[in-house]
Amino acid sequence: DSGVTQTPKHLITATGQRVTLRCSPRSGDLSVYWYQQSLDQGLQFLIQYYNGEERAKGNILERFSAQQFPDLHSELNLSSLELGDSALYFCASSPSGGFNTGELFFGEGSRLTVL
Amino acid sequence: GIQVEQSPPDLILQEGANSTLRCNFSDSVNNLQWFHQNPWGQLINLFYIPSGTKQNGRLSATTVATERYSLLYISSSQTTDSGVYFCAGKETSGSRLTFGEGTQLTVNP
Repeated sequence: DSGVTQTPKHLITATGQRVTLRCSPRSGDLSVYWYQQSLDQGLQFLIQYYNGEERAKGNILERFSAQQFPDLHSELNLSSLELGDSALYFCASSPSGGFNTGELFFGEGSRLTVL
Repeated sequence: GIQVEQSPPDLILQEGANSTLRCNFSDSVNNLQWFHQNPWGQLINLFYIPSGTKQNGRLSATTVATERYSLLYISSSQTTDSGVYFCAGKETSGSRLTFGEGTQLTVNP
């Protein structure tokens, strides 16, 4: 158990819909990262938050948005879903968010299927 | 951003064999991690190893930071070692962890 909690574990929805994925970081970790892993693909960095502020942005689509709340949990919102958005979405956390982030620990992922 | 290259892309072993997986980085990193993704999709932390050598049971890892590569050694492999092994590095000027494409390991009984 990494200590990072993601919900839901599985989600099936239809094209055009909107979903929200939730992540609770490890106790004491201030930084949250979101990654996308499509079928047979590597892990693509989407976005990072540190103590409530956006710290780095990767290949995140405009249809996707994220935020980190005062209690440090984070949510990834995916809207106007397309078939190609079907993927495993991982959340990770680390103690800090600067140049020395420390070790990242990953949650079990949320598997999204868009039909 | 940095590029992370892993080799080999695929590896098939008989139970009990040893193997070495390699990870090359295009630029200096100050955070390097190895992960195992099991068949259920979970990402398991193996090593946090920006430099030096670490061992954990049958697994060990070595990072030569000055030459921008890291090696993961698996000894006496078991069928439960099957899955995808990822290395990931963070460039010194950034905060994101960049993953390689992974090595798909299959250990046959």
